[in-house]
Amino acid sequence: SQKIEQNSEALNIQEGKTATLTCNYTNYSPAYLQWYRQDPGRGPVFLLLIRENEKEKRKERLKVTFDTTLKQSLFHITASQPADSATYLCALETDSWGKLQFGAGTQVVVTP
Amino acid sequence: DGGITQSPKYLFRKEGQNVTLSCEQNLNHDAMYWYRQDPGQGLRLIYYSQIVNDFQKGDIAEGYSVSREKKESFPLTVTSAQKNPTAFYLCASSTRKPHTGELFFGEGSRLTVL
Repeated sequence: SQKIEQNSEALNIQEGKTATLTCNYTNYSPAYLQWYRQDPGRGPVFLLLIRENEKEKRKERLKVTFDTTLKQSLFHITASQPADSATYLCALETDSWGKLQFGAGTQVVVTP
Repeated sequence: DGGITQSPKYLFRKEGQNVTLSCEQNLNHDAMYWYRQDPGQGLRLIYYSQIVNDFQKGDIAEGYSVSREKKESFPLTVTSAQKNPTAFYLCASSTRKPHTGELFFGEGSRLTVL
């Protein structure tokens, strides 16, 4: 069956350090992968999209990699700040019209 | 400002009652989606619509119904047939272009069955 796995344990990190989150998938061949941020009680907010032919994508302090051989994406938050504390979701395309399958998310807690 | 509006934010229902969650968007998006989120689980797709007057079942459609009579609106009805309806419901929309599917989400509706 198709599966998307993200670290279920919260990631506790000190301000200024780099947070690295993992998204692994099986039985998919997505053309692209997305990352979202979700704050408690709010809807997810889109952060980054990376296509299968792109190895790496950056946006400000965020960096995403996509390894279709390993079936894995890594999401990095550099120089982390307490305001980065949230749950981060990865999502994979399941059809060409944008229907997405989401992972359960990883909570990040950045302490001063 | 363009966006997606969900209402109500909080809703309480007695067992056996149907409830309808509203979702309106002014982004001029063709595609709209309903997801359900439970603690510790990923978002699960209930229904989606790629165009007016057309919609498809997602992964967990049983006990739910939708309509898409207008481009801007995609209401979700949680029927009494839904066995465990207490959850956080999220509506989303996107442009209907292949492989560009960034989703724009509403703020969610939290349904509690008493």
